[in-house]
Amino acid sequence: EPEVTQTPSHQVTQMGQEVILRCVPISNHLYFYWYRQILGQKVEFLVSFYNNEISEKSEIFDDQFSVERPDGSNFTLKIRSTKLEDSAMYFCASTHPGSLNTGELFFGEGSRLTVL
Amino acid sequence: AQSVTQPDIHITVSEGASLELRCNYSYGATPYLFWYVQSPGQGLQLLLKYFSGDTLVQGIKGFEAEFKRSQSSFNLRKPSVHWSDAAEYFCAVGAPRNDYKLSFGAGTTVTVRA
Repeated sequence: EPEVTQTPSHQVTQMGQEVILRCVPISNHLYFYWYRQILGQKVEFLVSFYNNEISEKSEIFDDQFSVERPDGSNFTLKIRSTKLEDSAMYFCASTHPGSLNTGELFFGEGSRLTVL
Repeated sequence: AQSVTQPDIHITVSEGASLELRCNYSYGATPYLFWYVQSPGQGLQLLLKYFSGDTLVQGIKGFEAEFKRSQSSFNLRKPSVHWSDAAEYFCAVGAPRNDYKLSFGAGTTVTVRA
């Protein structure tokens, strides 16, 4: 069964460093998302991406964050200069809108980011 | 904008007992509703979903949920809980007219005692 894959599963970085989290969505999907979950808290929407551009972003997704789909298969989240409060589990998700789509997002296993 | 409320932060239930997790949503149109489960250190697994039709939906692992439009609720139930059901459960509402974005509730942690 096709699945969303994410790398790395865990990354430890120093504050101020750049981090890139990678995702390979399901191949025929057209909408892509990043969510994050700070330890013990709810899953929060960061950004949605469709047709090679951001379609919506939350207030969390400030200028330190960016996303791109560089090669038609990978979908990346970059944090330019990490802060302690960026420590969280980051989930990638995708979906394929269509007449049979029921709105389900398919989530990856997550990338845990620890900022020291 | 859509939102979800899960009133119960933590529920403890005995193995073999029934379980009900509450979820209330806010959305201006017919919602897409989901329950996801997250075991410790793991990702999000879809338990079940509702988008139309029969308001009682069956999911994996013996879970079911009932959509009640009049109460804006989508409560999750299981008749007999197993120790492996200990996890965090998230209710989510989707917005098909808003890029299918999901909004999650704060989650309910379920502890199962022997």
